[in-house]
Amino acid sequence: KAGVTQTPRYLIKTRGQQVTLSCSPISGHRSVSWYQQTPGQGLQFLFEYFSETQRNKGNFPGRFSGRQFSNSRSEMNVSTLELGDSALYLCASGRDYTDTQYFGPGTRLTVL
Amino acid sequence: AQSVAQPEDQVNVAEGNPLTVKCTYSVSGNPYLFWYVQYPNRGLQFLLKYITGDNLVKGSYGFEAEFNKSQTSFHLKKPSALVSDSALYFCAVLTDSWGKLQFGAGTQVVVTP
Repeated sequence: KAGVTQTPRYLIKTRGQQVTLSCSPISGHRSVSWYQQTPGQGLQFLFEYFSETQRNKGNFPGRFSGRQFSNSRSEMNVSTLELGDSALYLCASGRDYTDTQYFGPGTRLTVL
Repeated sequence: AQSVAQPEDQVNVAEGNPLTVKCTYSVSGNPYLFWYVQYPNRGLQFLLKYITGDNLVKGSYGFEAEFNKSQTSFHLKKPSALVSDSALYFCAVLTDSWGKLQFGAGTQVVVTP
């Protein structure tokens, strides 16, 4: 069974731009969660989607948003990029929120 | 609120020696605990989890973890470390909030030949 895939793997943007990251979960998984990983803050939860509904959101500004499609694929969007948004963005999928979350390879975002 | 703590930033061990990575937790109710490993420029790989049942949980790549309720610990262990086990290890607890894993700060494991 194919794992979680994320595209693109690397992104370089400038301040003020916006970016969209994509995540394809493992087949049959309906829960998709997003995390931000930085050296200073570690792994922080962004949001979780299940069957196209956002069930939970972490403590991030409104510039961070996401959505999930009917095929469970998910996207997250960051608008008006700031230097501090430079991070590894990880997507994870599971059958439901109590199930093991399996992570993708991440998207490395660099904001210049 | 649920949380986990990894008291060691780094663990150094010689190849062939036992490896232990410590994790303590704080939860209300029954804990759902996980261990993940991260190699450079990679995502997190699932190693094992404790939901209920036996206190000794066996996982991938020869790792196991011991759940200790009285000490609120969930230490990761491997009887004989390999150089290839050198990586960043994360302990996590599933919070009572949908889909949210709360991670520890991570422990860098360095296995020397």
